Amino acid sequence: DVKVTQSSRYLVKRTGEKVFLECVQDMDHENMFWYRQDPGLGLRLIYFSYDVKMKEKGDIPEGYSVSREKKERFSLILESASTNQTSMYLCASSLQAHNYGYTFGSGTRLTVV
Amino acid sequence: KQEVTQIPAALSVPEGENLVLNCSFTDSAIYNLQWFRQDPGKGLTSLLLIQSSQREQTSGRLNASLDKSSGRSTLYIAASQPGDSATYLCALFTGANSKLTFGKGITLSVRP
Repeated sequence: DVKVTQSSRYLVKRTGEKVFLECVQDMDHENMFWYRQDPGLGLRLIYFSYDVKMKEKGDIPEGYSVSREKKERFSLILESASTNQTSMYLCASSLQAHNYGYTFGSGTRLTVV
Repeated sequence: KQEVTQIPAALSVPEGENLVLNCSFTDSAIYNLQWFRQDPGKGLTSLLLIQSSQREQTSGRLNASLDKSSGRSTLYIAASQPGDSATYLCALFTGANSKLTFGKGITLSVRP
């Protein structure tokens, strides 16, 4: 089975800190995605990547950046954390052909205080 | 723009009941449709994936159907159990920009 591993289940950070959320997948998937999930708003796409060194903005990229230096790893960076970035962050991956759907990680609950 | 609707937002049923969760979408030009389960505070677990050329998929007590012409998918859960309590989300992939479009989910509670 494909596994998508998010390095932290829970994080508490202070306003203004630079925050790194790490995601690693082990099945050579080309595509990787970062979502945030908030009550009443559902899942919203922040950034995604089709390949190493490539990145595309999703629906809500403001305040975030990403890094994909290796195919298996996709990092989400909060340049200067703010309280409105308190959320559940979900990483996902898929094959380029999308034939087998998406696989999600277990999520990181980030609280910014 | 593709819109995905899941109604009702919450559902409570007694154990043993057969139930149907609905997902409707506005654009029939979809590539595939995926049903996920999410337990509180956890990530999404894939339940079933239906390709656009398929009409249904089955896994154990779960059966998902797809009717593109009517813009509808259903997830059928047979003989529901308390362990089925979770939020169920449907998501569509249209092939454009490789993005999934999610519904907001149906939170199911199965009472013992």
